[in-house]
Amino acid sequence: AQSVTQLDSQVPVFEEAPVELRCNYSSSVSVYLFWYVQYPNQGLQLLLKYLSGSTLVKGINGFEAEFNKSQTSFHLRKPSVHISDTAEYFCAVSDRVGNQFYFGTGTSLTVIP
Amino acid sequence: ETGVTQSPTHLIKTRGQQVTLRCSSQSGHNTVSWYQQALGQGPQFIFQYYREEENGRGNFPPRFSGLQFPNYSSELNVNALELDDSALYLCASSLGQGLYEQYFGPGTRLTVT
Repeated sequence: AQSVTQLDSQVPVFEEAPVELRCNYSSSVSVYLFWYVQYPNQGLQLLLKYLSGSTLVKGINGFEAEFNKSQTSFHLRKPSVHISDTAEYFCAVSDRVGNQFYFGTGTSLTVIP
Repeated sequence: ETGVTQSPTHLIKTRGQQVTLRCSSQSGHNTVSWYQQALGQGPQFIFQYYREEENGRGNFPPRFSGLQFPNYSSELNVNALELDDSALYLCASSLGQGLYEQYFGPGTRLTVT
């Protein structure tokens, strides 16, 4: 089985500052990795995913993440955040068969004007 | 292109009752997955349906069951409701067996009293 740990439950950051949201996973098999965003009272939206290839993955809204196999991490970064980035962010992992999916507990990002 | 829709939006039930939640998948998608998101937690994978068959299941008891119809819409049924079943239930649709690119609906908020 796989599991996901999001190390920070809340991250406050000033507008236009950089941000990193941390995610570590554990798995005995190769995995696929994902970041989702959830705005208040809405469903989840896929930000980016790592399936294979380049370990640096670029997503929507200027976000990117880097897969680090040796550290079993998949941290999400953005060089300059906007007020509209305030939301809950979830890291997730899937086995390569693709019929099990595990989310972390989420990181609440608050962008301060 | 129609996105994923869920009904109802909100629901209040009494402990011991049964509930059915509904999901219409995005056009062209043949896989539906269901998740339970308790307040302040990440979504937990309940199960996945691919071409009308259950194709993966998380750690949920048998009183959580589902159906997928020929048009790929889906139902989640929960029997013998417990207070801990109070949560946001999310449906996601995707194409193919792997959960690589899921599109989420807005969810159904279930309250069990």
